[in-house]
Amino acid sequence: NAGVMQNPRHLVRRRGQEARLRCSPMKGHSHVYWYRQLPEEGLKFMVYLQKENIIDESGMPKERFSAEFPKEGPSILRIQQVVRGDSAAYFCASSPAGINSPLHFGNGTRLTVT
Amino acid sequence: QKEVEQNSGPLSVPEGAIASLNCTYSDRGSQSFFWYRQYSGKSPELIMFIYSNGDKEDGRFTAQLNKASQYVSLLIRDSQPSDSATYLCAVNPSPSSNYKLTFGKGTLLTVNP
Repeated sequence: NAGVMQNPRHLVRRRGQEARLRCSPMKGHSHVYWYRQLPEEGLKFMVYLQKENIIDESGMPKERFSAEFPKEGPSILRIQQVVRGDSAAYFCASSPAGINSPLHFGNGTRLTVT
Repeated sequence: QKEVEQNSGPLSVPEGAIASLNCTYSDRGSQSFFWYRQYSGKSPELIMFIYSNGDKEDGRFTAQLNKASQYVSLLIRDSQPSDSATYLCAVNPSPSSNYKLTFGKGTLLTVNP
């Protein structure tokens, strides 16, 4: 049973470039959650998606960040025009229908903006 | 603003001892509480969750919850060097879902052989 799969594990981008982070949920899971862990900070909720729908994006920065979870394929977290402050570890979790299961996180993508 | 506070440590204990990790939270309406272990450079790994006042035991781990004091703790018995990691306390304020967790910054635990 594969867990939540994230790729790439490490991503380096120059300021102004775009970053795309991918998350494949566990088999049978239709709910995806993205969290960000800034250096020396706790994990912070960003967004909750179901297939083709954004359910809660209250933790997403207002600009440059977007997320999707298409009918087919992985969930994508997209960061446009990256800045150094976007350097962080981005973690994805998934759950089956019904959202009371404890979250299990993927291995994360560590984004470094140079 | 809802907050979860943890002593950043490092907390250093000898092998075989009991490690006690503490967490306080500000939102009195919080419903469920989680402990995650995170090794350096790795993802958070769920080790315990607790919903009701009192103790919950799982192997060498015991979670303790006191909602009146807004306090949750994790005890690790017979600590092993492999337990050396950062322990994250997470709190969920919602009675209907578990996805929007508020995390503390974590306590670094070092178990010395």
